[in-house]
Amino acid sequence: AQSVTQLGSHVSVSEGALVLLRCNYSSSVPPYLFWYVQYPNQGLQLLLKYTTGATLVKGINGFEAEFKKSETSFHLTKPSAHMSDAAEYFCAVNTNAGKSTFGDGTTLTVKP
Amino acid sequence: EPEVTQTPSHQVTQMGQEVILRCVPISNHLYFYWYRQILGQKVEFLVSFYNNEISEKSEIFDDQFSVERPDGSNFTLKIRSTKLEDSAMYFCASTGGGTDTQYFGPGTRLTVL
Repeated sequence: AQSVTQLGSHVSVSEGALVLLRCNYSSSVPPYLFWYVQYPNQGLQLLLKYTTGATLVKGINGFEAEFKKSETSFHLTKPSAHMSDAAEYFCAVNTNAGKSTFGDGTTLTVKP
Repeated sequence: EPEVTQTPSHQVTQMGQEVILRCVPISNHLYFYWYRQILGQKVEFLVSFYNNEISEKSEIFDDQFSVERPDGSNFTLKIRSTKLEDSAMYFCASTGGGTDTQYFGPGTRLTVL
C-alpha cells in the first residue's frame, strides 16, 4: 500500500521568497516520487521525479526536491518564487509500472 | 516530444447517458491508466491496463465503467449510465514500465447535467 500526505493545503509566499511545499509518503516498496504542477483548468505537468540514484533532483522552472528515506519525505523547494509559480502542486508516489497515488494538493499563492 | 492526447477536451452529457472518453497513449508504451479529479479535489486512480486486460482497479471503478484498447493506438473509458457525481476531469496516462514516468494527457472535462 502507498499513500501521500501533503502538509498545508495552502501556502502563501512573497515574490522572491523561498518556496517550500511538504510531502511525506508511505510505501511498502522503494518508491518512485513525483511532483506535478496544475494551472487552473489545465492538465498535470511533471515538475520533477525521483526513481533511483541521486537524492536531490532538479526539475523545471527552478524547482528541486530531495528524497529523504529516513524521513519518508520528498519536499519541493524553489529559492525564489515568481508570480507565475502560483498554481496547485501535487506530490505523487508509485512503484514499478503501478498506479500513482496523489496527495491532496497544495495551492501556492505568490504575493507581489 | 511524444505526448498523450485525449478527446474530447470537454464533454457535456445528460444523466443516464453513455459517454466514451478517448485517449491515444504514447506509441511504444505498454501500461495505461485512467484517473479522475473532481473539481477542487485530488487526482484519484481509477484503473490500470496492461497486456489487454485490467491489472488493477479502484473501488470507484464499478460496473458502470469499462476500458478498452480497441486497436493499437486508442485507449477508451466508457461510462454506461452517467451520474451527476461522475462530473470530473478524467486523465489518461501511459508509461513504458520500469522506472519510466507516467505521462499524463491534458484531460477531458466531463459535465453531467
